Amino acid sequence: ETGVTQTPRHLVMGMTNKKSLKCEQHLGHNAMYWYKQSAKKPLELMFVYNFKEQTENNSVPSRFSPECPNSSHLFLHLHTLQPEDSALYLCASSQFPLRGNEQFFGPGTRLTVL
Amino acid sequence: QQQVKQSPQSLIVQKGGISIINCAYENTAFDYFPWYQQFPGKGPALLIAIRPDVSEKKEGRFTISFNKSAKQFSLHIMDSQPGDSATYFCAAWSNDYKLSFGAGTTVTVRA
Repeated sequence: ETGVTQTPRHLVMGMTNKKSLKCEQHLGHNAMYWYKQSAKKPLELMFVYNFKEQTENNSVPSRFSPECPNSSHLFLHLHTLQPEDSALYLCASSQFPLRGNEQFFGPGTRLTVL
Repeated sequence: QQQVKQSPQSLIVQKGGISIINCAYENTAFDYFPWYQQFPGKGPALLIAIRPDVSEKKEGRFTISFNKSAKQFSLHIMDSQPGDSATYFCAAWSNDYKLSFGAGTTVTVRA
């Protein structure tokens, strides 16, 4: 295990549902990330939190809402998603600001939007 | 705009063969180049990384070759084993602390 856990591992939701993805890191890192992974495409960075403060929002639609209550936990709140949002959502953590420091990834949540 | 271009999209190699994955970039702000390995049902995990002042780095059967002038780097998997079957991503850190990934290469090693 990498020290980064994600729940749930699989999620199926309708377009009108509201759900949340949870990530927890046990590595003592101070930075956490949300990525979207779609088939045959590069990992897309969605949000970055450093010391619990959001420092990056890569033009992500407002139907995705992140929350970082402390440096060990990260949530991604989902509402009124579209079928094209179906993907693997990965959480990662690292020690900032050591550039080049390894990002440790969780196993991801496989999201299907019907 | 895809900042790191990776090829091929997939490859099949026989056990004991060599797998080669290529990546290219344009952004001169990139200054550290990791490779990640991802197995089905798992998140990516760091495999090996190189700085641009080094032309080659080897760890076991995995070697990165780096050509700074051409802005290209590649991963060689020597003596490929079935357990190496996975998706491999090249990546690049920029000096503003952003990590950009290639699209990934699915490697299948046939026994």
